[in-house]
Amino acid sequence: DQQVKQNSPSLSVQEGRISILNCDYTNSMFDYFLWYKKYPAEGPTFLISISSIKDKNEDGRFTVFLNKSAKHLSLHIVPSQPGDSAVYFCAASANDYKLSFGAGTTVTVRA
Amino acid sequence: DAGITQSPRHKVTETGTPVTLRCHQTENHRYMYWYRQDPGHGLRLIHYSYGVKDTDKGEVSDGYSVSRSKTEDFLLTLESATSSQTSVYFCAIRIGETQYFGPGTRLLVL
Repeated sequence: DQQVKQNSPSLSVQEGRISILNCDYTNSMFDYFLWYKKYPAEGPTFLISISSIKDKNEDGRFTVFLNKSAKHLSLHIVPSQPGDSAVYFCAASANDYKLSFGAGTTVTVRA
Repeated sequence: DAGITQSPRHKVTETGTPVTLRCHQTENHRYMYWYRQDPGHGLRLIHYSYGVKDTDKGEVSDGYSVSRSKTEDFLLTLESATSSQTSVYFCAIRIGETQYFGPGTRLLVL
């Protein structure tokens, strides 16, 4: 039973516009959330994270929002660039530091 | 770059043969992890280690064993490979609350 879900397998966005990726989770014990970016034939690269004590974390063009009551988080990329075309994974952990991943969303940034 | 290497990077093997994948880190991190990535599933935890000779099972551990005799090396063994173990395998280390991944090993079991 998948505890972290990314319901959109793909997203296409025009260069310069905002990309919004969504993630839902079911385990109320999760207290740390991460986003990873993955290019083909490479390992996932850590992008940004958020603790459950916060509702927003920002790092340059990337912002993660957490809505604990809805068990929902989102990643905003503004502005989107061609190099952002990749697969994005949402992940979550409880205090055991074992990560549960979503299935991923493939982002394509169009010129 | 978290100083993680994986070997081999690609392997083709036959059903029933044993296979060992190696993860090597250069920075003496205590926690190491093995995941597999399959379409529609994201990454799933196979086994993890919290120190030399200290390991535990993850979500999809059946058919896999691990060993950690040195801090820097974490080995994943498929005792008798099956076609369902065709996958991409990633090793990770933990720094704080964040895991950092190696480049992966692509395994094909025929």
